[in-house]
Amino acid sequence: QKEVEQNSGPLSVPEGAIASLNCTYSDRVSQSFFWYRQYSGKSPELIMSIYSNGDKEDGRFTAQLNKASQYVSLLIRDSQPSDSATYLCAVPPTGNTGKLIFGQGTTLQVKP
Amino acid sequence: DADVTQTPRNRITKTGKRIMLECSQTKGHDRMYWYRQDPGLGLRLIYYSFDVKDINKGEISDGYSVSRQAQAKFSLSLESAIPNQTALYFCATSDPTGGESYEQYFGPGTRLTVT
Repeated sequence: QKEVEQNSGPLSVPEGAIASLNCTYSDRVSQSFFWYRQYSGKSPELIMSIYSNGDKEDGRFTAQLNKASQYVSLLIRDSQPSDSATYLCAVPPTGNTGKLIFGQGTTLQVKP
Repeated sequence: DADVTQTPRNRITKTGKRIMLECSQTKGHDRMYWYRQDPGLGLRLIYYSFDVKDINKGEISDGYSVSRQAQAKFSLSLESAIPNQTALYFCATSDPTGGESYEQYFGPGTRLTVT
């Protein structure tokens, strides 16, 4: 099992809909979780961090963490064509190594 | 000005050539990282450095070397470039003194092509 798994997609949603992106991880002791957005040919941009079970909202973005089930999700409300990008989930490996393990990313397409 | 810069942004080189990619940051972060990204393989860690005297191999360090010249500068070298090193290379930084010590911030990337 990969340490961080995401469905590669593409996930296609109509403009204005809710996009739901999911990520599962294998390390039960992970405490920090990150979502990055990457436009084609550009660098990853940190958009959300979550450390506690439950929901964390930031504008149109909501991160949801369920440590018992070992998954973290990202909801994008009122999706816009400008949200079309690849979304990377990242989790630190066991031990305070300062590293991140990245999933392969889910490509989101928001159609006008 | 960007907090993390990379030079060059694009480079085409020939097999066997030595090439250096440079990364500079003004964020004041101690930790710096080099990744490569290939289609379908995601981001893979090449080397990372927690301070000027602490340099560590990542998961794919073979064929690469690094130099941490200062807190703000971290260079990646390909000693003898080969075509399968064609990829997008990213530098990143993080700050262990902050509450969110694992957050990493990326430079704009270098697109390297080895012919």
